[in-house]
Amino acid sequence: DTVLTQSPALAVSPGERVSISCRASEGVNSYMHWYQQKPGQQPKLLIYKASNLASGVPARFSGSGSGTDFTLTIDPVEADDTATYFCQQSWNDPNTFGAGTKLELK
Amino acid sequence: EVKLLESGGGLVQPGGSMRLSCAASGFTFTDFYMNWIRQPAGKAPEWLGFIRNKANGYTTEYNPSVKGRFTISRDNTQNMLYLQMNTLRAEDTATYYCAREYTTAFDYWGQGVMVTVSS
Repeated sequence: DTVLTQSPALAVSPGERVSISCRASEGVNSYMHWYQQKPGQQPKLLIYKASNLASGVPARFSGSGSGTDFTLTIDPVEADDTATYFCQQSWNDPNTFGAGTKLELK
Repeated sequence: EVKLLESGGGLVQPGGSMRLSCAASGFTFTDFYMNWIRQPAGKAPEWLGFIRNKANGYTTEYNPSVKGRFTISRDNTQNMLYLQMNTLRAEDTATYYCAREYTTAFDYWGQGVMVTVSS
């Protein structure tokens, strides 16, 4: 299975820019997606196919990358962005998710 | 408004079976691939499988981790999605989500239903 590696946690101050990385163990073309999950809630799609903003998602969120290295950027970060962020690839079977990056605000 | 609502979870003994349901509304159900995804507490989601849309013959694909034990089906007259789970193990304990697929991402998720496998 394709393993997606994410840093476990980040802490930033409101108003700053944050980049969350996801590295795949093998190439996934541009088929990387990003989700936000708050405690007790289902995941919410933010970015699909590396760089496309999902419907209703603020333009503060953006995505980039291709192949094996991908980044989700939030600029500027707001207090409501406290959550865990997961990447997911759908190029190789089976679909797999990263372990998640927990974003905390200072 | 797209809505997905899972039901049917609860406590089941190891070796037992359980069927989860997902009621879909707010979109043309037959146009979309539908997926099941689970998430153990505090861990990453795990994709379980999908059932294709009408244009692709409603065929299914599964994660090898559950293939042969889990079966996905759909009732397109009722806009319902199902997950039949057999020979359940303690490691199947998780929150189970149904999710709509859009360009291979999951754009809508249900609120989830908990399944606990324990004696």
